Amino acid sequence: DAGITQSPRHKVTETGTPVTLRCHQTENHRYMYWYRQDPGHGLRLIHYSYGVKDTDKGEVSDGYSVSRSKTEDFLLTLESATSSQTSVYFCAISAGTGVDDEQFFGPGTRLTVL
Amino acid sequence: LAKTTQPISMDSYEGQEVNITCSHNNIATNDYITWYQQFPSQGPRFIIQGYKTKVTNEVASLFIPADRKSSTLSLPRVSLSDTAVYYCLVGDGGAGSYQLTFGKGTKLSVIP
Repeated sequence: DAGITQSPRHKVTETGTPVTLRCHQTENHRYMYWYRQDPGHGLRLIHYSYGVKDTDKGEVSDGYSVSRSKTEDFLLTLESATSSQTSVYFCAISAGTGVDDEQFFGPGTRLTVL
Repeated sequence: LAKTTQPISMDSYEGQEVNITCSHNNIATNDYITWYQQFPSQGPRFIIQGYKTKVTNEVASLFIPADRKSSTLSLPRVSLSDTAVYYCLVGDGGAGSYQLTFGKGTKLSVIP
């Protein structure tokens, strides 16, 4: 399995608090992605990164920011969490030459915003 | 943004071939069409990927017609362990930032 971990695996927080989720890889892959998965919506892309300090927005980027200061880490921040951001968050990595190449997914982080 | 449509669910008996079709529009000629499998409480897992015509690997085949407005994932001789949710994923390299769009998933139930 690809070396990809997510932390924390579970988190409960209150509306209005900042939250940071971490994705860590040991594969030195170029591309990293953050998705959210909700019943009835499937997986939706939040942000992705194509290199250190190089990021771009996905379909549902509002309310989220990301940072990638090192190849191995991709952070997702909810500046002020809302109940609509309760979801399962998946990080993925890809070694491909294009952003749509084969992705390897992490185990997910279940976030509950009360 | 590309739009994808998949059947919500399918049932199949063990040993049968299963075909799952995804309809998609607004994808560019050089964007991959990819399929993933997901089990409960796990992240999706790559199955197969292609641009056009037919691609086959050790677990599945992918059929893509010339107009690329749909794709069909074919699973030969399914077993109980193939019970999972299957997603198509398409890229959209149109105006603005590149987008990846997952279908809403097809829940496959394999019956003994």
